[in-house]
Amino acid sequence: KQEVTQIPAALSVPEGENLVLNCSFTDSAIYNLQWFRQDPGKGLTSLLLIQSSQREQTSGRLNASLDKSSGRSTLYIAASQPGDSATYLCAGEGDSNYQLIWGAGTKLIIKP
Amino acid sequence: DTAVSQTPKYLVTQMGNDKSIKCEQNLGHDTMYWYKQDSKKFLKIMFSYNNKELIINETVPNRFSPKSPDKAHLNLHINSLELGDSAVYFCASSQEGTSGMSHNEQFFGPGTRLTVL
Repeated sequence: KQEVTQIPAALSVPEGENLVLNCSFTDSAIYNLQWFRQDPGKGLTSLLLIQSSQREQTSGRLNASLDKSSGRSTLYIAASQPGDSATYLCAGEGDSNYQLIWGAGTKLIIKP
Repeated sequence: DTAVSQTPKYLVTQMGNDKSIKCEQNLGHDTMYWYKQDSKKFLKIMFSYNNKELIINETVPNRFSPKSPDKAHLNLHINSLELGDSAVYFCASSQEGTSGMSHNEQFFGPGTRLTVL
C-alpha cells in the first residue's frame, strides 16, 4: 500500500532563504507526481506536475524533482517570500490505479 | 474565470440532515473527482467520474452518493449526516487520457468546509 511522507511537517525561515521540501513514497511505482499549495481556508493550487518520463519541472522560483528509483521528490523554493507561506502538499499517482495518494503536507512560514 | 467551483463554501448543519455540495468545472475536462480532507490534512479520494460514469468508488458510506448530470458537473449528496462527516470536501477535474482514464494534472476547487453539529 502506497504511503506518502512529507518532511518537515512545518518549517519557518526568514525571507530570502532558499529551502527544500521533501516527499517520499513507500512504493516507487509512481506514474506522476504533483506538488500543490494550500492557503488557509482555501483550495488547492497545482504548482508543478512531473510526468512519468520527466525528472524535474521548473516554474519561476520553484523547482521540483522526482527520483523514482528512491521514491523521493523534492520541491526547491528559491529566494523565499512571505507570500510563499502556505501548506505544500505532494501527491503521487500510481502506475495502474489512477488515484492520487497524498502526503500530509509541510506548513511553511516565511518571516518578513 | 473560475475553473473549478464549488458551492457552498461553508456548510453547517445538524446531525441527521441531508445536504448536497455542488461542483462545476468549465475546463472541458472529462473526469471529475471528490476528495475528503480530514482534520489531519490528509486528502483521500472518494469518487471519480469519467464522462458521467463512475470509475472510482472508494470505501465510503453509502450515505454518500455522487451525481453527475453532465460531464461539467459532479454533485455530492450526503444523507443522514454524522459528526464524523465534518471535513473539507474538494472537487477536482482532469482531462481524460486516451484509455478513458487520466494520468493528467488535476485542478481543484476551493473546497467546502462541512461542519456537522
